[in-house]
Amino acid sequence: EAGVAQSPRYKIIEKRQSVAFWCNPISGHATLYWYQQILGQGPKLLIQFQNNGVVDDSQLPKDRFSAERLKGVDSTLKIQPAKLEDSAVYLCASSLVGPGQARNTIYFGEGSWLTVV
Amino acid sequence: DAKTTQPTSMDCAEGRAANLPCNHSTISGNEYVYWYRQIHSQGPQYIIHGLKNNETNEMASLIITEDRKSSTLILPHATLRDTAVYYCIVRRTGNQFYFGTGTSLTVIP
Repeated sequence: EAGVAQSPRYKIIEKRQSVAFWCNPISGHATLYWYQQILGQGPKLLIQFQNNGVVDDSQLPKDRFSAERLKGVDSTLKIQPAKLEDSAVYLCASSLVGPGQARNTIYFGEGSWLTVV
Repeated sequence: DAKTTQPTSMDCAEGRAANLPCNHSTISGNEYVYWYRQIHSQGPQYIIHGLKNNETNEMASLIITEDRKSSTLILPHATLRDTAVYYCIVRRTGNQFYFGTGTSLTVIP
């Protein structure tokens, strides 16, 4: 079974530029997550989708970050304009079941490494 | 929302059992405890999870106290490849997984 796919793997941009990350979850997984992981810290949940609806985006900096999952499968995370503090690894994860289900596991991709200079 | 507390770092001799503690004193009755680990430059990897009973799989064992306020992840025979950051997470009812800073485990030859 294929895992969570992410691209690009690495990206370097200048501050104030924009960047987009793409995620393809495991086939059939209804829930998709985007996390931000700054060096030395644990992953921080940015947004959670259930199919193509947003379940939780309380920690997403909405003035510069946006995410969509139009057809309930692939997702894109965009940053515009980027700041130096956005330098991080952006992790996508997916799970088979959604809220309210008793047992669940999320699976992570390898991440997209962003450096803002 | 249940939060977790873990030691920042731990060492373990190769071949010995690694016991990683976690406190989650505000956990609710229907919230699960999950453990993930992250090896440098990779995404977090699922290890094990449980609700109230102890659990064991091919990777590890999970011991949850009777009051559910703490748990211990046990790697029975640590190898150098087990060197990683280990995260204890309480899964919220909305299926959110909030990570803390984890425990950096170093397995020493």
